[in-house]
Amino acid sequence: DSGVTQTPKHLITATGQRVTLRCSPRSGDLSVYWYQQSLDQGLQFLIQYYNGEERAKGNILERFSAQQFPDLHSELNLSSLELGDSALYFCASSSFTGTATEAFFGQGTRLTVV
Amino acid sequence: AQSVTQLDSQVPVFEEAPVELRCNYSSSVSVYLFWYVQYPNQGLQLLLKYLSGSTLVKGINGFEAEFNKSQTSFHLRKPSVHISDTAEYFCAVSPYNQGGKLIFGQGTELSVKP
Repeated sequence: DSGVTQTPKHLITATGQRVTLRCSPRSGDLSVYWYQQSLDQGLQFLIQYYNGEERAKGNILERFSAQQFPDLHSELNLSSLELGDSALYFCASSSFTGTATEAFFGQGTRLTVV
Repeated sequence: AQSVTQLDSQVPVFEEAPVELRCNYSSSVSVYLFWYVQYPNQGLQLLLKYLSGSTLVKGINGFEAEFNKSQTSFHLRKPSVHISDTAEYFCAVSPYNQGGKLIFGQGTELSVKP
């Protein structure tokens, strides 16, 4: 158990809909990262939050947004869903303080868009 | 920008044989290097990391990797594999001073046969 909790584990929704994925980081970790894993794109970094502030942005679509709340949990919002958004979405957390530290990954949310 | 190339998408090997999973990277800035393992239906788990110092890094489950700066490689090795090592292995880099985000390779599927 990595200590990172993601809910829900599975999500099936229709095209055009909006969903919210939730992540609770390990206790004490201030940094949260979101990644997308798909067959064609592999594992792609989407976005990072550190102590409530956006820290880095990767290949995140404009239809996607995220935030980190005062209790440090994070949510990834996906809107106007397309079939191609079907993927495994991972959250990771670390105690990143400026140098590389280990990122701990949750078990992921498998999103299926039909 | 950074990129990671895992030279083999699939590596079949017999139990107790040695294995090497190859990883090359490209980066305009200095990076930290990581290997992660993903077992079926699970999140990613850190095997080992190179931050600085000795270029030979030992990780969990008997794995080790060697950083070669001139060849920009970070190959993963194990002298004797077990059935339980069957999984997908990801090489990743994290650029210095960029928040700890990970850029992953496409993954290598290690299949250990009895």
